[in-house]
Amino acid sequence: KAGVTQTPRYLIKTRGQQVTLSCSPISGHRSVSWYQQTPGQGLQFLFEYFSETQRNKGNFPGRFSGRQFSNSRSEMNVSTLELGDSALYLCASATAAGSTDTQYFGPGTRLTVL
Amino acid sequence: DQQVKQNSPSLSVQEGRISILNCDYTNSMFDYFLWYKKYPAEGPTFLISISSIKDKNEDGRFTVFLNKSAKHLSLHIVPSQPGDSAVYFCAAQDSGNTGKLIFGQGTTLQVKP
Repeated sequence: KAGVTQTPRYLIKTRGQQVTLSCSPISGHRSVSWYQQTPGQGLQFLFEYFSETQRNKGNFPGRFSGRQFSNSRSEMNVSTLELGDSALYLCASATAAGSTDTQYFGPGTRLTVL
Repeated sequence: DQQVKQNSPSLSVQEGRISILNCDYTNSMFDYFLWYKKYPAEGPTFLISISSIKDKNEDGRFTVFLNKSAKHLSLHIVPSQPGDSAVYFCAAQDSGNTGKLIFGQGTTLQVKP
């Protein structure tokens, strides 16, 4: 099976712009979660989507949003970019089969905000 | 409020010896725990997990131990190999919030040949 794929792998944007990142989960996986990794804050949960619905949300401002499509692919959007949004954005997928569901991660998108 | 803590930022061991990575948590609702290995600029790779109904899980060279009363888990790697050198993250989840992993800050393991 192919793993989780994320596009693009690298992005450079300027402050005030918006960005959309894409994630394709492992075939058959219905849950997609997004995380932000920064040197100061570590790995932090952004949100999780299941059956095209946001099921869980972390403590991030409303500038961070996402969606999931009927084929389980997901996108996340960050509007009005700030310098502090520079980070590695990771997507993970899971079967959503139950409480011992393991998340498998993609390679990430490295976003740099200038 | 850091619910998952890895108090050792780094660990160095000799090839062939045991590596022990530790993790503490504060939220008693956590019932599923995972260990991931990560290289810079890559996504975390799943290593091993344990449910709160168990106290030990083994997979090859990797063993995870869970002590619920102490809210502590550890990852043992035996024998350690130079290819194990990476950052190791402990993560926790509660069944009421599936899809949301809470991560520790990571421990950088260096295995010297």
